[in-house]
This record gives sequence, C-alpha cells and structure tokens, in this order.
Amino acid sequence: AQSVAQPEDQVNVAEGNPLTVKCTYSVSGNPYLFWYVQYPNRGLQFLLKYITGDNLVKGSYGFEAEFNKSQTSFHLKKPSALVSDSALYFCAVRQGGAGKSTFGDGTTLTVKP
Amino acid sequence: NAGVTQTPKFQVLKTGQSMTLQCAQDMNHNSMYWYRQDPGMGLRLIYYSASEGTTDKGEVPNGYNVSRLNKREFSLRLESAAPSQTSVYFCASSEYQGAYGYTFGSGTRLTVV
Repeated sequence: AQSVAQPEDQVNVAEGNPLTVKCTYSVSGNPYLFWYVQYPNRGLQFLLKYITGDNLVKGSYGFEAEFNKSQTSFHLKKPSALVSDSALYFCAVRQGGAGKSTFGDGTTLTVKP
Repeated sequence: NAGVTQTPKFQVLKTGQSMTLQCAQDMNHNSMYWYRQDPGMGLRLIYYSASEGTTDKGEVPNGYNVSRLNKREFSLRLESAAPSQTSVYFCASSEYQGAYGYTFGSGTRLTVV
C-alpha cells in the first residue's frame, strides 16, 4: 500500500530565508507526487507535481520540489519565504488506476516577518 | 469558471439525522472523490468514482454512501449521522485519473451533536 510521511508538524522560518517542507513516500512502481497548499477555511490548491523527467519541478507561487528516488523523498522548497506563504501544506502520492491519492498529515508553515 | 462547487458550506446535525452533501464540477472531469479532513490526520478517502457509472470504497467508507448522478455530480450521503462523522468534507475532481492532480471544492464543515 502506498503511504506518505511528513515528518514535521510545524516549520517556522523568517521572511526572506529559504524554506523546506519535507515529504517521504512509499509506493511500488513509479510514483506520481504532488504538493497542495491550504489556506485557513479554504479548500486545497494544487501547487506542483512530479510524474517523470527532471528531478526538480517548479510550481505555483515560486515553489519548487526536488524528487529523490533513492531517498524516496519529495521535499518542497522556496528560495525566499514570504509571510503570505504561511499555510498548511500537504504532500500526496498517486499510484495505480482510478487516480486515488494518499495524503500526508500536513505541515503547518509559519513565516515570521 | 466555478471549478468544484460544494453545498452546503456548513451544517449541524443531530445524532441519527441524515443528510446529503452535494458536489458538482464544470471541468468535464471523469473522476471524482470525497475526502474527510480531521486535525492531525490529513485527508482520508471516503469514496471515489473513477468514471460516470462507477463508484468504489476508499479508506473510510463506513457510515457513508455515494451517488454519481451524472458526469458532473457526485453526492455523499450520511444515513444516520454520528459524532465521529464531525469533520470537514472535501470533494475533488480530476482528469486523466488524477495524473495531473486534483481540483478541490471549498469544503463542507459538518458538526454532529
């Protein structure tokens, strides 16, 4: 069975500093990996995906993620954090037919001025 | 361009009451999903519909039923609500069986007292 782990419940960074939100996964076969962001009282919004190709994928709002097959990781990154990036971030993995995705428990990112 | 529309946004039920959560998408997506979000537990799949005319159980289907009314609409029914079903419910849709990620609705916050 596929699974996703987000080892940090909370990540705090100062505005202007780089940020990393960690994600590891377990799946048989080639994974489809995703990051979503959720702002308070809102639905989840798609940020970026990895299907195949370059290990560094770029997404919305200046975010990028690095796929590492040997470490089964897909960490979310941004070179310079903004206060407006403060939100709940979810990593997800899709495998197999029907498009079912398994989500991690989420990481709350807080960017302080 | 509405995307995924969920109704109602908020609902309070008494234990034992029934209700139906409505979801409609206008993106001509084949696949639709119902997830519930509980604090610290990420999103858990309740039911999904890979295509019009098919539905399947997800991770936590007990106490729920679904209907894929047509390609646009996918409803979730609670026949006899229980306090354990207090949660935020999200509907999502996808093309290509989730290969490019999901589009989520804004959610229904359900409280069962």
